[in-house]
Amino acid sequence: AVQLVESGGGLVQPKESLKISCAASGFTFSNAAMYWVRQAPGKGLEWVARIRTKPNNYATYYADSVKGRFTISRDDSKSMVYLQMDNLKTEDTAMYYCTVNGEDWGQGVMVTVSS
Amino acid sequence: DVVLTQTPPTLSATIGQSVSISCRSSQSLLHSNGNTYLNWLLQRPGQPPQLLIYLVSRLESGVPNRFSGSGSGTDFTLKISGVEAEDLGVYYCVQSTHAPLTFGSGTKLEIK
Repeated sequence: AVQLVESGGGLVQPKESLKISCAASGFTFSNAAMYWVRQAPGKGLEWVARIRTKPNNYATYYADSVKGRFTISRDDSKSMVYLQMDNLKTEDTAMYYCTVNGEDWGQGVMVTVSS
Repeated sequence: DVVLTQTPPTLSATIGQSVSISCRSSQSLLHSNGNTYLNWLLQRPGQPPQLLIYLVSRLESGVPNRFSGSGSGTDFTLKISGVEAEDLGVYYCVQSTHAPLTFGSGTKLEIK
């Protein structure tokens, strides 16, 4: 069965950085494009970042709200996907999930940006 | 990005009642490979989303058959035939035909 386990969340101050991780198993990770999706408290689901596979040159894409501040990456040898978040803003406060095409979901990791 | 318009935003149902949720896409979700990548998710309070329906109408393993999905092109429907108490939560449609992944705004199902 597909398993996605996020880690690395926490409380940070505005303008600080944080890196969250997602460990994947149960499928051929190297063949799958991966997403980070977030959900602000009481709000809906919003895609944040996407990374494609090696044959697609690990191309990355970002929502306008995080472009230039967040960086998605992956390590196929470890079946891991990461989200480096820099210059964090209070509006980045959310539960962050990794997902494969919106079908399988982890438990998520909470990121709180507050002074 | 593809916009998914989901209605209604809230539903209040009694146990045993049948309800439907609509999801309309700003463009056809039929992929060039012949599949339509429209899924339905349920997010129970305090839980991550879980997959109910994939490829428009295919029931995810373990999901009760009172849930059903239908539609094509740009119009899709989730139906619950006989709501049960455990069905409360927020329902989302999500498409992956056209990158990036996009979501409907959600339908909150309340039990009367």
